[in-house]
Amino acid sequence: EAQVTQNPRYLITVTGKKLTVTCSQNMNHEYMSWYRQDPGLGLRQIYYSMNVEVTDKGDVPEGYKVSRKEKRNFPLILESPSPNQTSLYFCASSPGTSGRGTQYFGPGTRLTVL
Amino acid sequence: DAKTTQPPSMDCAEGRAANLPCNHSTISGNEYVYWYRQIHSQGPQYIIHGLKNNETNEMASLIITEDRKSSTLILPHATLRDTAVYYCIVKSRDDKIIFGKGTRLHILP
Repeated sequence: EAQVTQNPRYLITVTGKKLTVTCSQNMNHEYMSWYRQDPGLGLRQIYYSMNVEVTDKGDVPEGYKVSRKEKRNFPLILESPSPNQTSLYFCASSPGTSGRGTQYFGPGTRLTVL
Repeated sequence: DAKTTQPPSMDCAEGRAANLPCNHSTISGNEYVYWYRQIHSQGPQYIIHGLKNNETNEMASLIITEDRKSSTLILPHATLRDTAVYYCIVKSRDDKIIFGKGTRLHILP
């Protein structure tokens, strides 16, 4: 089944404790992206990747890192999480390198930073 | 970057057509208009997209004005399961993808 998977789905952590949220897609898509969603603010893009080893900042990249060493995986790294990073996070992928194609979203990761 | 403007919320009676408007007055000639929806806190789901011509699929129809400055998503026979937040998106020049706040559609029984 074609899908985007994220792990973990739920995470409660404390300020400053490094964490990684994994994202994997099995559709051989070039473009992958991370979003965060907060009440009243809609979906905001954090980082995106047009292909392996190619990443760029979205609208709200501060406090996050990403890597794209393999086509299927696009982990989101929070080196030193803070409470303002408490949010619902979505990973997405799409064919092509422009992000113009239809995006397929993962189920979401709800992160709480205490 | 092309941005979109949508009403924050709309109501529609069950069984009627739901017409959701979107303004994208700064859209450039090669940018597509995409529509997604998000049910509760699930991952957004693709609905339809178009460039210039009207489009239809099994979920919805997309009407784009001739000047491409606005569009309307039409759900022909809305059901309670169509209650969701609907996002209209135009991809920006530099490959960023900008979601607005969307329209919260309430289907009334």
